Amino acid sequence: QVQLHESGPGLVKPSETLSLTCTVSGASIDSHHWNWLRQSPGKGLEWLAYISYTGHTNYNPSLKSRLTISLGTSQDQFSLKLTSVTAADTAVYFCARADIWNSYNYFDLWGQGTLVTVSS
Amino acid sequence: DIQMTQSPSSLPASVGDRVTITCRASQSISNYLNWYQQKPGKAPELLIYAASTLQSGVPSRFSGSGSGTDFTLTISSLQPEDFATYFCQQSYRASFTFGPGTKVDVK
Repeated sequence: QVQLHESGPGLVKPSETLSLTCTVSGASIDSHHWNWLRQSPGKGLEWLAYISYTGHTNYNPSLKSRLTISLGTSQDQFSLKLTSVTAADTAVYFCARADIWNSYNYFDLWGQGTLVTVSS
Repeated sequence: DIQMTQSPSSLPASVGDRVTITCRASQSISNYLNWYQQKPGKAPELLIYAASTLQSGVPSRFSGSGSGTDFTLTISSLQPEDFATYFCQQSYRASFTFGPGTKVDVK
């Protein structure tokens, strides 16, 4: 059974960098697209970025200048960095797997989510 | 970005009701439309992809239809475990975008 689990600090100071890691258990990251999304009361569900098992990346244009998604050194992790955070970046952050079938792309597996609060 | 809207935002309903939720895209997205269910404190779960294909394990009372800009999610007979918030999401073009959600709650 494949599971995803987010980890990282729950509190980040304004202007600092938010760093999160997603650990995949029950499978390795050698297929699919691996995504980060977030959810806040103000902005709803927001897709942030994905990385393929080959290392190809794609970013939300509105956040691209502040985002970096990367594969981990082990075959079962990928990470997100968001720089220069503000209170507007306070949200529950999810990692998710995207399956692709005949060019259709959908998030079929999600982590439980981790709340990140930006505050001094 | 492709903007997604949903109606209604809130839907009071009773067990056994037939429930229909509408999603509209700001431009044609063919059938690149997914539906998710989310319960409080949990991650969204995939219900339907490609507008009408039921994800494995999802009960057959859920169905989806539509193409272009207008889509619907239907629950044929609402069950107690179906009280939740439902989101549509377009996958026609990355940046993928979601609708604001429809909360199905107890009438």
